Amino acid sequence: SAVISQKPSRDICQRGTSLTIQCQVDSQVTMMFWYRQQPGQSLTLIATANQGSEATYESGFVIDKFPISRPNLTFSTLTVSNMSPEDSSIYLCSVEEGWGYNEQFFGPGTRLTVL
Amino acid sequence: ILNVEQSPQSLHVQEGDSTNFTCSFPSSNFYALHWYRWETAKSPEALFVMTLNGDEKKKGRISATLNTKEGYSYLYIKGSQPEDSATYLCAFKYNAGKSTFGDGTTLTVKP
Repeated sequence: SAVISQKPSRDICQRGTSLTIQCQVDSQVTMMFWYRQQPGQSLTLIATANQGSEATYESGFVIDKFPISRPNLTFSTLTVSNMSPEDSSIYLCSVEEGWGYNEQFFGPGTRLTVL
Repeated sequence: ILNVEQSPQSLHVQEGDSTNFTCSFPSSNFYALHWYRWETAKSPEALFVMTLNGDEKKKGRISATLNTKEGYSYLYIKGSQPEDSATYLCAFKYNAGKSTFGDGTTLTVKP
């Protein structure tokens, strides 16, 4: 099973600033996902990041607000841009090994508070 | 928008009690159903991958059943222990790589 680390684990940011979250996987994976969990809500998929192509964003999420990089098969970044208090959430990166029914493996999450 | 609902939202039980919770999902376009356990300050951890109608999976004191025709899955915990305290998430997979998560059931087991 993949082991995933995220940086930072938590941060408190000011409104209007940006934060970049890093996700590192200990093995090469094709599909990486970025999720958000707002307080009291379920995990919501922000985008799917495949190496060598543009990230695919889910409805309600746009590249200008959540730019994603995927430079290789073990690393990805998610930037939360021009933050507002509504962006206060836990952000998780996730990978799926193989293709099909496989479960996903998650990083420990980044807890973001925007003041 | 796919609707995946979990009930109850939270549950408080005494150590030794058995408990169960429900995940409801669309009965069409079913690909797989995953259960995860998410402990505070840790990563969500996969419990079960369920793919066939009638599937029953078991891991220690935890088991799960699946009914794809009516669109529900049950998770059972027998003889709950304080270390079972966590949020239990189900994820309805409708495509390879695409999952919709429920809001979770938060279980608290009191010693």
